[in-house]
Amino acid sequence: SQTIHQWPATLVQPVGSPLSLECTVEGTSNPNLYWYRQAAGRGLQLLFYSVGIGQISSEVPQNLSASRPQDRQFILSSKKLLLSDSGFYLCAWELGADQETQYFGPGTRLLVL
Amino acid sequence: GQNIDQPTEMTATEGAIVQINCTYQTSGFNGLFWYQQHAGEAPTFLSYNVLDGLEEKGRFSSFLSRSKGYSYLLLKELQMKDSASYLCAVILDNYGQNFVFGPGTRLSVLP
Repeated sequence: SQTIHQWPATLVQPVGSPLSLECTVEGTSNPNLYWYRQAAGRGLQLLFYSVGIGQISSEVPQNLSASRPQDRQFILSSKKLLLSDSGFYLCAWELGADQETQYFGPGTRLLVL
Repeated sequence: GQNIDQPTEMTATEGAIVQINCTYQTSGFNGLFWYQQHAGEAPTFLSYNVLDGLEEKGRFSSFLSRSKGYSYLLLKELQMKDSASYLCAVILDNYGQNFVFGPGTRLSVLP
C-alpha cells in the first residue's frame, strides 16, 4: 500500500530564515505530487505541483520554491521566510492517469515569528 | 473564478443524522470529493462523485446534482469521533492541479 511522509511535523522559524520541508511517497511510481498550504480558518491553497522528476509548476507567485530531485521526493523551500508563510503545509500524491483522488501526508505546521 | 460554498459550522447530537451542503460555481467539472479533517491533522478521503445521485459508504453518503451545482454529505448515527471539518473539493478537469477546495464545514458532535 502507498504511504506518504512529511517532515518535520512542526517547525518554528524566525522571519528571514530559510526553509526546507520534505515529502516522500512509498509504494507507488511516478505519482503526481502537490504542495498545499492551509492558513488558519481558510481553505487549502495549491502552491506547486509536479508530474515528474524536475518538473515543477507554480500556482501562486511567492517567495517559496519546490523541487523534485527524485521520483518520490518533493521538497518545498524558501530562502527567506515571511510572517505570512505561517500555516499548515500539506503534501499530496495522486496516481494520475485519471485516478484523480489526492491523498494527503500528515502535514507540517510552520510558525514564522 | 472558482467558487465553492459550505456552511462554516454545524452542531449535531450523538446518534443523530446531519447533512452538510456544498454548492459550487466552477469553470469546469470532472468530479466532486469530500474529505474529513480532524483538528491538526491532514485531510482524509471520504468520497468521490462524478455522476448524479447518491453514493453510500457505511454511515457516510454523498449526493451530487451537476445541474444544480450541489452536493451534500450525509452522516448517520453520529459519533463523537465525527467531530471534524469536512472539505468539499471540485476537480475541474483531468488535471490534478485544477483541484479546488471549499473552506470546509466544522462539525461539532455533542453528547
